[in-house]
Amino acid sequence: DAGITQSPRYKITETGRQVTLMCHQTWSHSYMFWYRQDLGHGLRLIYYSAAADITDKGEVPDGYVVSRSKTENFPLTLESATRSQTSVYFCASRTDGGTEAFFGQGTRLTVV
Amino acid sequence: GQQVMQIPQYQHVQEGEDFTTYCNSSTTLSNIQWYKQRPGGHPVFLIQLVKSGEVKKQKRLTFQFGEAKKNSSLHITATQTTDVGTYFCAGHWAKMRFGAGTRLTVKP
Repeated sequence: DAGITQSPRYKITETGRQVTLMCHQTWSHSYMFWYRQDLGHGLRLIYYSAAADITDKGEVPDGYVVSRSKTENFPLTLESATRSQTSVYFCASRTDGGTEAFFGQGTRLTVV
Repeated sequence: GQQVMQIPQYQHVQEGEDFTTYCNSSTTLSNIQWYKQRPGGHPVFLIQLVKSGEVKKQKRLTFQFGEAKKNSSLHITATQTTDVGTYFCAGHWAKMRFGAGTRLTVKP
């Protein structure tokens, strides 16, 4: 399917477990982003990637790891989940011209 | 650092009233974008402003970019229940940074 998709849509995990959130886009956009959304904080940037094999930290990178071996995929891994990482996670992509970003449907992660 | 501040955080209006949200950046922006997120949904792009002093309209929505390219506003005339949602501004540098958003509720 065309577009940007995130999986899973919902995830419950236990404190200390590793969990990976997937993001896949079919447009070959250069840039991809991971945001977390918490009440009162809006969308906070976790990591972003300008191209395959190029990633950089955002505002709140601690506790997260990303990789981008292929242009279309940008997985986000929580190495050892904590309750403070309970949030809604959005992946986004855009072209290299500063144009609009397209968001995935989001993943609601609960850490218990 | 590069930050985008947005006010108010919440706004409740009666249907038919006007609504405005404001966005301020700590540094000059190359451009600014506005997004809308419906309850339970994901952010959807509305518009991008690039030029100093630029004003753009989309039906009842008016977007402005400040002369110094450090602030912006979104004004909705005669709100409708379909306008409900959270409106975000996003400052564009290499990292796209969002404001905290303004959550709009509309009473019929």
